[in-house]
Amino acid sequence: AQSVTQLDSQVPVFEEAPVELRCNYSSSVSVYLFWYVQYPNQGLQLLLKYLSGSTLVKGINGFEAEFNKSQTSFHLRKPSVHISDTAEYFCAVSDSFTSGTYKYIFGTGTRLKVLA
Amino acid sequence: ETGVTQSPTHLIKTRGQQVTLRCSSQSGHNTVSWYQQALGQGPQFIFQYYREEENGRGNFPPRFSGLQFPNYSSELNVNALELDDSALYLCASSGRVGYTFGSGTRLTVV
Repeated sequence: AQSVTQLDSQVPVFEEAPVELRCNYSSSVSVYLFWYVQYPNQGLQLLLKYLSGSTLVKGINGFEAEFNKSQTSFHLRKPSVHISDTAEYFCAVSDSFTSGTYKYIFGTGTRLKVLA
Repeated sequence: ETGVTQSPTHLIKTRGQQVTLRCSSQSGHNTVSWYQQALGQGPQFIFQYYREEENGRGNFPPRFSGLQFPNYSSELNVNALELDDSALYLCASSGRVGYTFGSGTRLTVV
């Protein structure tokens, strides 16, 4: 069975500092990996996704993530954060991406708080 | 793209009542999924509908049911509400680039 572990429930970081949000997954099959951001009282917005190909994935708002199959990780990074990046971040895994039955397994989330 | 819209945005119900949540998917997206997000947790998969048929279900009891209509709208129905059903309910329609989530319906059961 698939599972996702987000190792940090909260990450405080000062503005303009770099940040890494950690995500590990377990799956016995090929996986598709996603990072979503959730601002207060809003739904989920896709930051980036890994489907295949290059292991370094670039997303919106300056975020990037690296797929590491040997370590079963998909950590999210940003070289310089802004106050506006304060939000909840969710890592998700799916064993299918195109049509048919598929579901995302989400981690429990990491609350990123950017300090002035 | 018109996005995914959900209604209502907030709802308060009494334990034992029934509730219907609505979702309007993006045109052309014939797969819709529903997720439950309890406070402080990640979203949990409830079920998925494809061409008006349920074709996948998570670990939720039968009192959670759904419908999908030809016009890309869908409903989530929950009977015999329990306090633990209080959560944010997210609808997601899937297209070529994966899920697009709505902003959710916040359900509070008192």
